[in-house]
Order: sequence, then structure tokens, then C-alpha cells
Amino acid sequence: DGGITQSPKYLFRKEGQNVTLSCEQNLNHDAMYWYRQDPGQGLRLIYYSQIVNDFQKGDIAEGYSVSREKKESFPLTVTSAQKNPTAFYLCASIGSTGGYTFGSGTRLTVV
Amino acid sequence: KNEVEQSPQNLTAQEGEFITINCSYSVGISALHWLQQHPGGGIVSLFMLSSGKKKHGRLIATINIQEKHSSLHITASHPRDSAVYICAVGGGSNYKLTFGKGTLLTVNP
Repeated sequence: DGGITQSPKYLFRKEGQNVTLSCEQNLNHDAMYWYRQDPGQGLRLIYYSQIVNDFQKGDIAEGYSVSREKKESFPLTVTSAQKNPTAFYLCASIGSTGGYTFGSGTRLTVV
Repeated sequence: KNEVEQSPQNLTAQEGEFITINCSYSVGISALHWLQQHPGGGIVSLFMLSSGKKKHGRLIATINIQEKHSSLHITASHPRDSAVYICAVGGGSNYKLTFGKGTLLTVNP
């Protein structure tokens, strides 16, 4: 079945460390997105990529980095520069009809 | 003011009741999405609307473009409908979405 796989589901990081969240899709979608969800807030866009080897900053890109070397993969790195990294991170992709598919998310906790 | 406002924030219902969740937005859009998020966190897309009304099983979504308002209805609600329902609007060629804060629905048996 086609879909988006995010791993790991839970991730713990020590302060000062970088950590990379994986997002893989087998839907042949061109556009992929990373969102952050905090309690009581709507999802906010971190980065997005509409084609391979190209990506754009979203509304809250500071402290994050991405790459898009393959159509299927859009990993997100949470760097030590991100002041409040503890959050739930969701990856999504969009098909040609405009319908969104979301991954199951990664919950990152800084300890 | 948020660009996407949902109401109510929390909703508790008894099994079998008719549920309505509302979404108002202030920006021009090309499509509105209704999403469902279960306690585990994963999000499922329920509907994508640009006009009129869509129905899928016990779920009905409507949109009024002139009034910039959409509603999600659940008929004959069931405890398994308990989840957070999120409204999101999008516009432009990059398909970026702006999300509401969600409505937490709890359906009691």
C-alpha cells in the first residue's frame, strides 16, 4: 500500500545534539512538507519541497534543515540552534489532485 | 486574529447524536481540507472541498465560499469518532496549508 513512513515514532535527544527525522513516501508525489504541532496550536509549516533538489523555508524554519536528494525522501534535521525542539513533527505529501497524505508523526523530546 | 478559526474547541456528545464542527477562514483559498487526528497522532485526510458538499459514510462536509465557512457533520456519532478534527485551507501553486487549532470530539457510549 502507498503511503508515508515516518521514523522513529518517538525520539529523545540531549540538548545540544542534532537529530534527523526520516520521511519516506512511495506515492510518487512531487511535493513534500514538514509540519510542527504544539499543544493548543495549529500545525505550522517548517519546510517544503516541490521538486527534487529544491526546497523552501516555511513559517518556522529557524533551527531546522532539510534535503531532497530523492523524490521519495525528505529528511528533517533538528539542529541545536532550535530553541524549543520538543514537539510532534508531521511529514506530508500532496498528489496531483491536491489531496494530502500525512505520515504518522514523530514525537521528539529533548532531555 | 487567526486565519482559520474552528468552533467549538471541545465537544462532548453521547453516542448517536448529530455532530457539527464549524470552520471559518479569512483568506482566499483554492481548497479546504478536513482532517482527523487520533490520539496516536497520525492524521487522516477526510475531505478536500472547493465548493458545495461531499459525503462519505456518516460524514458530510459543506463549504460556502461566499461566506468563507465550512462545516463538518457526523451523523449517528460513535465512540470511535472520538478524535481531533482539523480544518485547513490552502491556496496558490505551492499547496501550502494554514491549519485551524482543531476541535477535540469525545463521543461517550
